[in-house]
Amino acid sequence: DGGITQSPKYLFRKEGQNVTLSCEQNLNHDAMYWYRQDPGQGLRLIYYSQIVNDFQKGDIAEGYSVSREKKESFPLTVTSAQKNPTAFYLCASSQGDGLSRAETQYFGPGTRLLVL
Amino acid sequence: AQSVTQPDIHITVSEGASLELRCNYSYGATPYLFWYVQSPGQGLQLLLKYFSGDTLVQGIKGFEAEFKRSQSSFNLRKPSVHWSDAAEYFCAVGPSNDYKLSFGAGTTVTVRA
Repeated sequence: DGGITQSPKYLFRKEGQNVTLSCEQNLNHDAMYWYRQDPGQGLRLIYYSQIVNDFQKGDIAEGYSVSREKKESFPLTVTSAQKNPTAFYLCASSQGDGLSRAETQYFGPGTRLLVL
Repeated sequence: AQSVTQPDIHITVSEGASLELRCNYSYGATPYLFWYVQSPGQGLQLLLKYFSGDTLVQGIKGFEAEFKRSQSSFNLRKPSVHWSDAAEYFCAVGPSNDYKLSFGAGTTVTVRA
């Protein structure tokens, strides 16, 4: 089955520690996204990537980093600079067929990050 | 800048009753509009989308939405809700020349027996 997988489902971070969230898709989509979800705030865009080896900051990129070395993978690192990392993190991907950039985004199951 | 407002934070509806969730957007040109549903602890599932054409859009699970340009709205409706419709619903808007979507804060739907 085609889809988006995120791992782990739950992640615990200690103070001063960097942690990496995994996102893999087998939909052959060009674009991938990371969102942060907090209660009552909807989804906020952290980073997005339109193509391999290229990515752009979203609305709340501070304290986060990404890489896009392969089309199917878009890992997110939550660095120690992110002072309030507790949230639900969602990865998404979209086709990008060249006719429109606002293609439908498909989401993974999410990773919940908690601070110890 | 584009934005989305979902005026209702929480709605409670009886099973079998109709449901309408409101979504108002702010965007200069014709927007691309989406409704997603999220069950607790899960990712988002696309219910329906509007890109162009017929302003009444049919989606999965018996949902529909109507795009009204004059009111800058894209309200979601279902004639008869089922207990499994209890979830959080998000409206999103995006321009055609940008990969970025803006999401509303969400509406939580509770279904009572």
